[in-house]
Amino acid sequence: KAGVTQTPRYLIKTRGQQVTLSCSPISGHRSVSWYQQTPGQGLQFLFEYFSETQRNKGNFPGRFSGRQFSNSRSEMNVSTLELGDSALYLCASRPSDGASGNTIYFGEGSWLTVV
Amino acid sequence: GESVGLHLPTLSVQEGDNSIINCAYSNSASDYFIWYKQESGKGPQFIIDIRSNMDKRQGQRVTVLLNKTVKHLSLQIAATQPGDSAVYFCAERNQGAQKLVFGQGTRLTINP
Repeated sequence: KAGVTQTPRYLIKTRGQQVTLSCSPISGHRSVSWYQQTPGQGLQFLFEYFSETQRNKGNFPGRFSGRQFSNSRSEMNVSTLELGDSALYLCASRPSDGASGNTIYFGEGSWLTVV
Repeated sequence: GESVGLHLPTLSVQEGDNSIINCAYSNSASDYFIWYKQESGKGPQFIIDIRSNMDKRQGQRVTVLLNKTVKHLSLQIAATQPGDSAVYFCAERNQGAQKLVFGQGTRLTINP
């Protein structure tokens, strides 16, 4: 079974631009969540989607948004990029059913550099 | 607010020795805990998890211990190997929330 797949793996953007990151969860997983990882702040929760609905949101400004499609694939968007948005963006998925529902599996991440 | 912290930011052990990575959490309502391993340039890899109704769980060469009285979590790695070198994160989940709260991580270095 393929793992969580994220694209692109690396990208460089200019301040003020916007970026869209994509995530394909493990087959059969219906919940997708996004995290931002930086050296200073560690791993911080952005949001989680289940069945195309946002179920929970972290403490990030409105410039950070996401969505989930009917096939459980998810995208996150960051508008008006700032230098501080440079980070590794991680997508994670989980089955959301029964005892295995809590186990969360991460993708390799998308490295975003804002210049 | 809720927080998960690690006692030691770095840990160096000799190859073949056992290592123990510690984690403190503050949210007594957390009901599920996970340990992840993150190697350079990669995403966090699931190692082992434990629910709050348990105090010990064993996997292959790894054991997680949970002490709810003092809100402490530990990861024991037996017979460490060079491939165990990585940053290890503990994470907690509050049953009422659908997110994980991560600690800052501990860098484990295995010396030959």
